[in-house]
Amino acid sequence: AQSVSQHNHHVILSEAASLELGCNYSYGGTVNLFWYVQYPGQHLQLLLKYFSGDPLVKGIKGFEAEFIKSKFSFNLRKPSVQWSDTAEYFCAAYGNNRLAFGKGNQVVVIP
Amino acid sequence: DAGVIQSPRHEVTEMGQEVTLRCKPISGHNSLFWYRQTMMRGLELLIYFNNNVPIDDSGMPEDRFSAKMPNASFSTLKIQPSEPRDSAVYFCASRTSVTDTQYFGPGTRLTVL
Repeated sequence: AQSVSQHNHHVILSEAASLELGCNYSYGGTVNLFWYVQYPGQHLQLLLKYFSGDPLVKGIKGFEAEFIKSKFSFNLRKPSVQWSDTAEYFCAAYGNNRLAFGKGNQVVVIP
Repeated sequence: DAGVIQSPRHEVTEMGQEVTLRCKPISGHNSLFWYRQTMMRGLELLIYFNNNVPIDDSGMPEDRFSAKMPNASFSTLKIQPSEPRDSAVYFCASRTSVTDTQYFGPGTRLTVL
């Protein structure tokens, strides 16, 4: 069965620091990849997605993610975080008619 | 567009009571998903519908849970009888078959005492 792994469940960093969240998926077929963000008390919102083409995907709020097929990875990055980036981040992989989510990364940005 | 609409936003009930959660997908979306989110288990897919037909309900925890989609604009998730371990946030999501991007509703926070 398809699965998604996210590492370092809790991340604490200061404003202006760089952020990278790892995501690995297990599905070997054609897969669509997503990062969702959930701000405190809110629902999941799409940050960015990869279907095909340029493996470096740029999303909203300065986030980007790189698809590396050989590593089954889709890591999320932001060069300089802000306090407002405090949220939980979920990686998801869609394949075989099912969207599988990782457990999430709880990110806290300290002013 | 109003996005995916869920009601109620919060529900507090006593063990043994019936709970009904409601979802209105985005107009034109033909797939609808119900998820449950807890601290321990993260985000779990419970069931999803395609063109109002249940396609995969393997994530439904047990027979106490049931879901229906009588038409393209409405779905319910029912728990009867409810138990304290059902306490969670229940999200509904919808998508068109073309984009494969799921759009989530605000969720229903369920507390079973």
